[in-house]
Amino acid sequence: DTGVSQDPRHKITKRGQNVTFRCDPISEHNRLYWYRQTLGQGPEFLTYFQNEAQLEKSRLLSDRFSAERPKGSFSTLEIQRTEQGDSAMYLCASSENRGLNTEAFFGQGTRLTVV
Amino acid sequence: GESVGLHLPTLSVQEGDNSIINCAYSNSASDYFIWYKQESGKGPQFIIDIRSNMDKRQGQRVTVLLNKTVKHLSLQIAATQPGDSAVYFCAERRSGGYQKVTFGIGTKLQVIP
Repeated sequence: DTGVSQDPRHKITKRGQNVTFRCDPISEHNRLYWYRQTLGQGPEFLTYFQNEAQLEKSRLLSDRFSAERPKGSFSTLEIQRTEQGDSAMYLCASSENRGLNTEAFFGQGTRLTVV
Repeated sequence: GESVGLHLPTLSVQEGDNSIINCAYSNSASDYFIWYKQESGKGPQFIIDIRSNMDKRQGQRVTVLLNKTVKHLSLQIAATQPGDSAVYFCAERRSGGYQKVTFGIGTKLQVIP
């Protein structure tokens, strides 16, 4: 499978615990995005990387959230001290760097449930 | 603030008929619009996009129309098939080189065999 890969697919955690998700983009894509989607809503932008540089961050990305892409390949999204409101699908997408209008390919997401 | 919304939350169409999904946006600074299809348990899948300097673009069985005067976007699907059943999102990105894409709420398309 050469698409965007996310791990794990599902995560159940207790409130207050830390969780980390991983995204492996399509290999030749140097742009990587994280989104969050709650039931019945469209995805909400969280952050964007070009190579290892984090160039855009949403106000949704509170200080409990941190994303990294240390080598410009895979990325991790960590949520510290999880809250029930963090329960959502976390989606990763990647695209080529070919100007402004470049199709983004999404992974299947990691569904987080905070109990 | 920015917002992208949809007129109809659900749309039921007979197999073989054409479908039209509508979307309104409020950010006049948007320069790029995208339609995504999302099936249950999967991530959004790109369908078609259009730049703000265009008013129509066609793909395979799909057409996107953009009316900047009234800030309206539509997706037309010809000869709708059962495999088209999904939630469809319009999304927009504002000019200035930003990569953030803002999604609307979504319209659920149900194709009746």
